[in-house]
Formats: sequence, C-alpha cells, structure tokens
Amino acid sequence: GAVVSQHPSRVICKSGTSVKIECRSLDFQATTMFWYRQFPKQSLMLMATSNEGSKATYEQGVEKDKFLINHASLTLSTLTVTSAHPEDSSFYICSAPHWSSDGYTFGSGTRLTVV
Amino acid sequence: GENVEQHPSTLSVQEGDSAVIKCTYSDSASNYFPWYKQELGKRPQLIIDIRSNVGEKKDQRIAVTLNKTAKHFSLHITETQPEDSAVYFCAASLNTGNQFYFGTGTSLTVIP
Repeated sequence: GAVVSQHPSRVICKSGTSVKIECRSLDFQATTMFWYRQFPKQSLMLMATSNEGSKATYEQGVEKDKFLINHASLTLSTLTVTSAHPEDSSFYICSAPHWSSDGYTFGSGTRLTVV
Repeated sequence: GENVEQHPSTLSVQEGDSAVIKCTYSDSASNYFPWYKQELGKRPQLIIDIRSNVGEKKDQRIAVTLNKTAKHFSLHITETQPEDSAVYFCAASLNTGNQFYFGTGTSLTVIP
C-alpha cells in the first residue's frame, strides 16, 4: 500500500533554533500533503495544506512565517519550525490523500521537544 | 472550516460491554466520515468509515451510523476487549481527497 515516510521520528532542539521535518511519499505522487499538530492528550489539529509547486494554505491562527512549508516535488513535503520555542513542542504528523487499504496515508509522526 | 465535536472525552467500560462514541459536525457539505484509532505516539489507524449516502456500516465488532439531517455520526464497538483501549478520533471531510477535521478524541479504557 501507499507509504509516507516521515523523518525524524524524534528531535530535541534548543530554543531559537529551527527544525525541519520531512515527509516523503515512497510509492506514489503526493500532490497534496496535510500537516497536523497534536499536543499531549489532544486531537490532531490541521495546520496547513501544502500543494506541489504552489504556496501552502494555512489554517486560521497558524503563523506561516513560523511554520514554513515547502512542497518542491511530487514526493517530498517539508515543514520547518523556525525559531522554535518550548510551546512548539508537540507531535507533528503529515498525511497524504492517497487511498489505501488502511485509508488515508499518514506519516509516522515527529515528536518535537524544544528545550 | 468544519467544526467536529466528539463526546465523551473519556470512556471506561467492562470487557465484553459495548462502547459508543458520538460526533457532530457543522458543515453540511461534508460527506466522508472516518474513525481512527490512535495509540500513544503512533500514527492514527483507520478502523471504519462511512460516506454520506449510507446510513450505517458494520465491520465485525465495529459499526458506524450516520444521520446527515442531524449532522451526527456514532461509533459502536461491541464485545469490547482490552486491546480496544486507545484514543479514538472521528473526522469529517468533503471527500477522500480533502483534509480531515478531527474531533477532540475519546480515550477508551476497557477494564478486564
């Protein structure tokens, strides 16, 4: 089935630094990628939608200058958390609208901890 | 955008009993409603879904019902087992190619 590979799975960074999270579609072309954030014991909140070759669409309240999204190819979408702060610590997960027997294809998630 | 509400936030049941989780949505244009099970730190896993042209769908111990008029849908798990313990999320979408808007989640605990 369709697979989205997400890296890194865990990252710890210092306040003020930037962190890049990658999601790659391994056996299909993902023209669209959805990025979600999940705080502990909370739901998955849609942050933005990236589209290959065009600007990402951000949900209300999500700072586009802080969460930079790039979708430069049909198989790669990246989320960069810039000038990270402890409140950015969260579980970030991507999802591509490719239907498989497991439904929507999610990445494995990235646990970001900002210290 | 779509607003999905989910109840209850926590649910404890005895093994063998049934569990019911309910969701409401706001956008009448939504026509695809999946349910996901998520274990701690892992990606959500689809357990069942339903489209707006269907009122009920069943897969072994799991069933989902949809009332489009009232804009609510429910997950029913029968004969619960300890391995059913997890967080369950409902979601709504305009179709399978669009983004999902997730409910707030239900932490289900099945007591042996």
